[in-house]
Formats: sequence, C-alpha cells, structure tokens
Amino acid sequence: QKEVEQDPGPLSVPEGAIVSLNCTYSNSAFQYFMWYRQYSRKGPELLMYTYSSGNKEDGRFTAQVDKSSKYISLFIRDSQPSDSATYLCAINTGTASKLTFGTGTRLQVTL
Amino acid sequence: NAGVTQTPKFQVLKTGQSMTLQCAQDMNHNSMYWYRQDPGMGLRLIYYSASEGTTDKGEVPNGYNVSRLNKREFSLRLESAAPSQTSVYFCASSEWNRDPGRKAFFGQGTRLTVV
Repeated sequence: QKEVEQDPGPLSVPEGAIVSLNCTYSNSAFQYFMWYRQYSRKGPELLMYTYSSGNKEDGRFTAQVDKSSKYISLFIRDSQPSDSATYLCAINTGTASKLTFGTGTRLQVTL
Repeated sequence: NAGVTQTPKFQVLKTGQSMTLQCAQDMNHNSMYWYRQDPGMGLRLIYYSASEGTTDKGEVPNGYNVSRLNKREFSLRLESAAPSQTSVYFCASSEWNRDPGRKAFFGQGTRLTVV
C-alpha cells in the first residue's frame, strides 16, 4: 500500500464552483500535511500546510485534516481559471526531513 | 532571489551514457532532495540529504547516485542511463526542522529523455 493515495483526476469544473481535492494516508505517525500546486512545466509550489487535525483557511482555500480517518482535503471556493493546475498533497512525520507526495490531481477550471 | 537552480533544463541521452544533474540553493537550507515525476506516478523521492555530509535513499534509488558537495549543492548522477529513467527531475530544499510548515522549495525541473 502506498503511503499516500490521491485520485489523479482529471477534474473539470466550471468557474465559480467549489472544488474538493482529497488524499488518504496510511501512517499514523504523519504530523504535517501540505498542499502543493504545480502549473504545467513548472516546479511545485507550497499552497498551504496544516499541523495535526483541524481546518486552516487562507482566502479561497481551506485545508482540512482528519487524523482519525487519515484523510486530508483541500477546498477551493469560487474557483477561477487561474486555479487550473495539478494539486499534490504531501506529508511529513515531523521527525525526519523526508516529504512523501501523492500522485497529484489535475484540475481544470473552465469559463 | 534565485531559490533552487537546476541545470540543465533539458537533456537527451543515449542508452548507456552517463550524466550529472546539478542543483544549487541559496536559502541556506540544511535538507535537499531529488525527485522524479512521471505521468500517473506523482513525485517519487530518489535520494535526499537531511544535512550536509549525509545522504539517504528514497523510494526509487536504483540507477542513481548522489553527492552533497557542500551545503548549497546536491548533484544527481546517472552512471548508465536507461530508457526507464526518462522523466522530469526536480531538486528541492527545505529547512524542515526549523520550519513549522515543513516547506520544500523546488527548482524548475530537468526534462531528461533517454533514447
């Protein structure tokens, strides 16, 4: 079983829609949860991070962690064409430097 | 304001040739990483260096070697390239133990084709 599972998509939504992106993980030792955004032919960039369980909001983006279910989510409100990218979840135990990534979900926001 | 710089950006190799991918960061980070990204496989860790002087294998180390030359530079070497190593390679760095977000900063990638 992979340490992090993520639906690869692609996911196509109309502009203004609410988008939900999800990952599941297998190791309960993971403490830090991140979402990266990757535009085509570019390197990934950190979008949001959360520590332990709960929600974190930043503008139109909300990151949610449910450690009891080993489930992490990223919600995008009022999606824009500029949100079209691949979104990768990443996790870290907090005690070592290794980051483990999901496969990424490709999102297309259409006009 | 360079961040993480990778060279070259593109490379075509013949099977059996060798090459070294270079990576340098100017953020004084302790940790550096090499990932490969393939369609449907996401980012897979090849090797990482938690701090200067140490290197560790990641998920897919076979066929690769690394050198942490100093705190700034971390190179990835393919000794005998194979078509299965055709991929996009990303270098990243982080200050994971002093950054609550565990942020990793990525380079722009090296697109490698082995024919």
